[in-house]
Amino acid sequence: DADVTQTPRNRITKTGKRIMLECSQTKGHDRMYWYRQDPGLGLRLIYYSFDVKDINKGEISDGYSVSRQAQAKFSLSLESAIPNQTALYFCATSGPMTGETQYFGPGTRLLVL
Amino acid sequence: GNSVTQMEGPVTLSEEAFLTINCTYTATGYPSLFWYVQYPGEGLQLLLKATKADDKGSNKGFEATYRKETTSFHLEKGSVQVSDSAVYFCARSNTGNQFYFGTGTSLTVIP
Repeated sequence: DADVTQTPRNRITKTGKRIMLECSQTKGHDRMYWYRQDPGLGLRLIYYSFDVKDINKGEISDGYSVSRQAQAKFSLSLESAIPNQTALYFCATSGPMTGETQYFGPGTRLLVL
Repeated sequence: GNSVTQMEGPVTLSEEAFLTINCTYTATGYPSLFWYVQYPGEGLQLLLKATKADDKGSNKGFEATYRKETTSFHLEKGSVQVSDSAVYFCARSNTGNQFYFGTGTSLTVIP
């Protein structure tokens, strides 16, 4: 079984709709991250969490919110989706030390019409 | 701004050719450096890493050396295979283990 899972894998929604992307991990890591990937821009950090009570904004947090429901679960919400949020979204986890590897989920492909 | 700059693609090579993908970074202190690979339709997988100056990361025939004097972490492979076709991302971490990624370099290896 995969260590980091994301649901759904693909999603089509309409402008103005609220949607939630979910991430679960079985690695026992405290740190979790949400990124979006756009062609030519690489990956950009949206939000990150170092433990259940910790939430931090990343580079591009506007229009997004997150919830850390448990150590193993970290959800990303788009309160009112817009077309320029069409992207590939990745969840990642890591251990607590500086320089530790981040482990990525398979991604969620989101299309906002 | 982006603190990791990597060679733009796409790169197309013949099988058994030599590969270099350049990556430079800006950072204070001594960040850890990474190369990730993304195969079509999949998430990112760690390819190799180096955590201090002069360290060499290696995996699956790929190598990269942490060069502090040139702030570089170039990826190399002596003989590429068709199965190496993927997108390669250079990344660095900061003291909080936030990652900064390059824009990715697409590699296609033709038989």
